[in-house]
Amino acid sequence: QKEVEQDPGPLSVPEGAIVSLNCTYSNSAFQYFMWYRQYSRKGPELLMYTYSSGNKEDGRFTAQVDKSSKYISLFIRDSQPSDSATYLCAMTLPSGSARQLTFGSGTQLTVLP
Amino acid sequence: DGGITQSPKYLFRKEGQNVTLSCEQNLNHDAMYWYRQDPGQGLRLIYYSQIVNDFQKGDIAEGYSVSREKKESFPLTVTSAQKNPTAFYLCASSIWGISQGPNYGYTFGSGTRLTVV
Repeated sequence: QKEVEQDPGPLSVPEGAIVSLNCTYSNSAFQYFMWYRQYSRKGPELLMYTYSSGNKEDGRFTAQVDKSSKYISLFIRDSQPSDSATYLCAMTLPSGSARQLTFGSGTQLTVLP
Repeated sequence: DGGITQSPKYLFRKEGQNVTLSCEQNLNHDAMYWYRQDPGQGLRLIYYSQIVNDFQKGDIAEGYSVSREKKESFPLTVTSAQKNPTAFYLCASSIWGISQGPNYGYTFGSGTRLTVV
């Protein structure tokens, strides 16, 4: 079993839809959680990060962490064709540990105009 | 502008040949990483380095080698021992240690697509 599970999709939605992307994980020690966006043939770019449980909002994007369920989500409101990309979740251990990110396999999202 | 530069963007390797992928950063980051990305498999860690002249194997280091002679540079050599090297290779860098600020996380390069011909 992988440490981080992410539905690979592909996921297609119409423009303006609310998108929900999710990851589950098995290591309860993970404490920092991130979402990266990767356009085709490009490197990933950091989109959102959260520490421990809770919600964080940035414009049309909301990141949610539920540590009790070992479940993280990224919501995209009013989705746009420019949001079409692969979204990767990532997480890491508390400070003091070897600071490497563990990535999900990515969800491919297409927003149709 | 600060960032990570990977070169070349596309690389073709013949059977039995070693090739080296370049990665340079001007972000003054301590740590650098190499990942391999295959369709449907996410990012898999090849090697990482926390400081100059030191590096550790990741999950799939066999058939690869690295060096870290300068803080800014972390080249990856794909050797002939790597039997299935066709993939998208990503270099990343980060600060090393405690941080909860906006610079937390990795900065990635644009990648090198390696193909065996």
